[in-house]
Amino acid sequence: QLQLQESGPGLVKPSETLSLTCTVSGDSFSGSNYYWAWVRQPPGKGLEWIGDIFYTGSTYYSPSLKSRVTISVDTSKDQFSLRLSSVTAADTAVYYCARKMSTSYFSPWGHWGPGTLVTVSS
Amino acid sequence: EGVLTQSPDTLPLSPGERATLSCRASQSITNRNLAWYQKKPGQAPRLLIYAASSRATGIPDRFSGSGSDTDFTLTISRLEPEDFAVYYCQQYGTSPFFGGGTKVEIK
Repeated sequence: QLQLQESGPGLVKPSETLSLTCTVSGDSFSGSNYYWAWVRQPPGKGLEWIGDIFYTGSTYYSPSLKSRVTISVDTSKDQFSLRLSSVTAADTAVYYCARKMSTSYFSPWGHWGPGTLVTVSS
Repeated sequence: EGVLTQSPDTLPLSPGERATLSCRASQSITNRNLAWYQKKPGQAPRLLIYAASSRATGIPDRFSGSGSDTDFTLTISRLEPEDFAVYYCQQYGTSPFFGGGTKVEIK
């Protein structure tokens, strides 16, 4: 059974870089032809797509975050990662990693990690 | 990038009642690439409906989706206690985005 788990610091200082990792288990990561994503939800607000990555490393980013986001993949560790630079309080959110429901890019996210809260504060 | 407008913001209902949630797109959604998710506090989103009307694996048949082009609806035929939550529609085209959500609360 596919499982995703986010990990990383729960507190980041303003202007610094937020770094999170999603570890995938229960399914083959490399060669699986799936797209993997990061999505976030600020407290009291709605869901926001951050970006997607294919297992080969091809990336797709939200236009509003593109200048600050890097998503990368490490198939040897069955992990993919998020880096968000120059964070402000507005980046405080629960961050989720997810996998598309099917191998098509045009597919919703059917599998999610439990999420991790990241607070931006000095 | 378009906008998805969900209505109402809040829907107060009693268990056993029917819930009808609306999602309106500012631009036509290609290939009905529209999904619905259920979100409860402290939990990850749960995919309910994809391709506007197809139920995801394990989703009870009291959940149904309909619509095309710019107007979509999620219907919960008879609310169970566990259905009180926030529901989001999502366009999963080239640049995915979500609606603002509808909270189904106990009346």
